[in-house]
Amino acid sequence: KAGVTQTPRYLIKTRGQQVTLSCSPISGHRSVSWYQQTPGQGLQFLFEYFSETQRNKGNFPGRFSGRQFSNSRSEMNVSTLELGDSALYLCASRDRGGKGNEQFFGPGTRLTVL
Amino acid sequence: AQRVTQPEKLLSVFKGAPVELKCNYSYSGSPELFWYVQYSRQRLQLLLRHISRESIKGFTADLNKGETSFHLKKPFAQEEDSAMYYCALRAGSQGNLIFGKGTKLSVKP
Repeated sequence: KAGVTQTPRYLIKTRGQQVTLSCSPISGHRSVSWYQQTPGQGLQFLFEYFSETQRNKGNFPGRFSGRQFSNSRSEMNVSTLELGDSALYLCASRDRGGKGNEQFFGPGTRLTVL
Repeated sequence: AQRVTQPEKLLSVFKGAPVELKCNYSYSGSPELFWYVQYSRQRLQLLLRHISRESIKGFTADLNKGETSFHLKKPFAQEEDSAMYYCALRAGSQGNLIFGKGTKLSVKP
């Protein structure tokens, strides 16, 4: 099976702009989670989508939002970008409730906000 | 509050030496605990999970509920073990993963 894919891999934006990141899960996985990785805070959970519904949400401001489509692909949107949003954004998919319950991570999207 | 603590940011050992990466957690229920590894320029991947009680690449980890710890051990470190290691907790089978800040393991020749 192909692994989790994320597009784009690199992105440069300026403050105040908005950005949309995309994630395609492993075939058959219906759960997609998003994480923000920074040197200072490490890996922090943003939200999880399952069957097009947000199931869990981390402690991030409302500028961070997401959605999931019927094919399980997910997008994450950040509006009114701030310098502190510069990070590696990781997407992970799993067969929620399935055997193992293991999360498989994508390569990440490196977002730089200038 | 649910929390995962990895007290060491960096751990440096020589090849062939034993290695132990510490992980302590805070959670009132029965956690699922994992170790993830990220090699240079590779994606984050699962190394092992406590419910499997398996040894992967010579690494083992035992859940100690009394000490709320899940330390990762390997008796003889190899240079290819050099990587970032993250301990993670899942609160309940459908909860999200809570990660520690990670420990960078450097194995010197």
